[in-house]
Amino acid sequence: KQEVTQIPAALSVPEGENLVLNCSFTDSAIYNLQWFRQDPGKGLTSLLLIQSSQREQTSGRLNASLDKSSGRSTLYIAASQPGDSATYLCAVRGNTYGGGSNYKLTFGKGTLLTVNP
Amino acid sequence: ETGVTQTPRHLVMGMTNKKSLKCEQHLGHNAMYWYKQSAKKPLELMFVYSLEERVENNSVPSRFSPECPNSSHLFLHLHTLQPEDSALYLCASGREGWDEQFFGPGTRLTVL
Repeated sequence: KQEVTQIPAALSVPEGENLVLNCSFTDSAIYNLQWFRQDPGKGLTSLLLIQSSQREQTSGRLNASLDKSSGRSTLYIAASQPGDSATYLCAVRGNTYGGGSNYKLTFGKGTLLTVNP
Repeated sequence: ETGVTQTPRHLVMGMTNKKSLKCEQHLGHNAMYWYKQSAKKPLELMFVYSLEERVENNSVPSRFSPECPNSSHLFLHLHTLQPEDSALYLCASGREGWDEQFFGPGTRLTVL
């Protein structure tokens, strides 16, 4: 059974700092990994999607890396801003064909990020 | 209107009530999902519909009943819920199960 762990559970940094959020997963047979952002009481916004064959993806100040063999991904946020404050969720999609399990995203509990002005 | 929308955004119901949550997507996707997000727990997949057929039921109690009349609409019918069912219910859509999932804003459900 796939399990996803995110460390740290909460992080508070001053504005302008570069930071790294960590995600680890127990089963390396994944199809892709997705990072999301969730604002309080709101839905999820997709940030980056990394296919299992890729090593990293970049979007603006965000860079996500994937090391499938070791079961790890990191989300790097450069020059953090107060508007980056949110919960960041990591989710992996299984690579088992058939039976509906290929549809399943397994989520971590998230990292609550606070960027202080 | 674009993206994934959900109504209502907030719902308070008693344990004997019957209510429905609605999700609509305008992205041309053919897979739709219901997730439950409880406090202090990871998001949990409840149901998956692909091409309007249910392809996954993640051991969800029968007091939750999904319906997918077409590829753009998804409902979650609720009856005789328990207080522990209070949570944020999120709908998502994607292309045929393999691609990114896009989420709606959620319905905050409180069961009294």
